[in-house]
Amino acid sequence: DTEVTQTPKHLVMGMTNKKSLKCEQHMGHRAMYWYKQKAKKPPELMFVYSYEKLSINESVPSRFSPECPNSSLLNLHLHALQPEDSALYLCASSRGTSGMSGELFFGEGSRLTVL
Amino acid sequence: GIQVEQSPPDLILQEGANSTLRCNFSDSVNNLQWFHQNPWGQLINLFYIPSGTKQNGRLSATTVATERYSLLYISSSQTTDSGVYFCAVEDRGSTLGRLYFGRGTQLTVWP
Repeated sequence: DTEVTQTPKHLVMGMTNKKSLKCEQHMGHRAMYWYKQKAKKPPELMFVYSYEKLSINESVPSRFSPECPNSSLLNLHLHALQPEDSALYLCASSRGTSGMSGELFFGEGSRLTVL
Repeated sequence: GIQVEQSPPDLILQEGANSTLRCNFSDSVNNLQWFHQNPWGQLINLFYIPSGTKQNGRLSATTVATERYSLLYISSSQTTDSGVYFCAVEDRGSTLGRLYFGRGTQLTVWP
């Protein structure tokens, strides 16, 4: 069983909707990540939070808005998405201490379809 | 950023066969991981192996950091081994958390 939990597993939304993806870990990790993966492609990094502060934003459009309310939770707020944003969204966490990421652990992903 | 190349891109095997997957990277790394992505999309950790050799059941991995490559060995393959195998690295010069993925090896194991 994965120790990184993502909800929902599937989400269908219209272009005018506002929705959120949620991620939770209880491994005491201090780094959390959002990745986006299109079919038959490797995951692409979107955001990194280190000690609850945004440390990397890979030039992601503002219709994606991350939030890290505490060290265990990571959200991705979605608004005014486009059909090309349909993808698998993966959350990950790692120890993130001593200046190194450490081993990343991924959740099962949230499969998003934008109509 | 660091370049990560995986080979072969596709591999088709009969159940019981052995295989070797390769990952080459272009710079020194802090972190190297092998993942298996199952048909449902979940990325499962296989090895965290910035250097050295590790074994877990039928799988083993070796990273030769000085020569900038890693190998994943699968012995006595089973149909459940099918899926995409990714190598991912974090280079020493990068901001914490920037993991670069290779394009993966698509493995299909036939009964």
